[in-house]
Amino acid sequence: DAEITQSPRHKITETGRQVTLACHQTWNHNNMFWYRQDLGHGLRLIHYSYGVQDTNKGEVSDGYSVSRSNTEDLPLTLESAASSQTSVYFCASSESPSGRSTDTQYFGPGTRLTVL
Amino acid sequence: QKEVEQNSGPLSVPEGAIASLNCTYSDRGSQSFFWYRQYSGKSPELIMFIYSNGDKEDGRFTAQLNKASQYVSLLIRDSQPSDSATYLCAVSLTGGFKTIFGAGTRLFVKA
Repeated sequence: DAEITQSPRHKITETGRQVTLACHQTWNHNNMFWYRQDLGHGLRLIHYSYGVQDTNKGEVSDGYSVSRSNTEDLPLTLESAASSQTSVYFCASSESPSGRSTDTQYFGPGTRLTVL
Repeated sequence: QKEVEQNSGPLSVPEGAIASLNCTYSDRGSQSFFWYRQYSGKSPELIMFIYSNGDKEDGRFTAQLNKASQYVSLLIRDSQPSDSATYLCAVSLTGGFKTIFGAGTRLFVKA
């Protein structure tokens, strides 16, 4: 069955370290998204991609980067981790090549990141 | 700033009752509206989407959309304890297809 996976599921790191969170989907979806979820804020978009070599900034992109070298993967990198980046991170994907507004997003299981 | 507002709850209803969850949005040109359910410690999963004014029914769930009032709601009939979760309202914006999520409403169904 097609799925979307994230790794690691839990990560503890120290302030200033570089951290990469992996996201892999076997849906063959064109669109991939990274969100963070914090109490009281819901899901906030960090970065998104509508295809290979395409990446775009979301509303909370500062301190994060992504690259899309193939259809299946969109790794999220925290360049220099800060305590404010402690959160739960969700990766999602959707199908439409044009990012159609009726697209359903399918979410991965999430990564809980703690920055000490 | 495009916004999607939800009452954080918790909304508590007895088993078998109708649960009514509400959401307002600020972008008048929004095109599509989604309700996701998220159990504690789990990822969001889609329940329904709606993009035309009026009601859309799927089993025990009914989504209602009023674009003039910029209001979307979700009704859950015959609520079950298994419906206890956080419900996220999401809105796809015009001219970019990005989706904005509300902070969610916690629903608790008492057995």
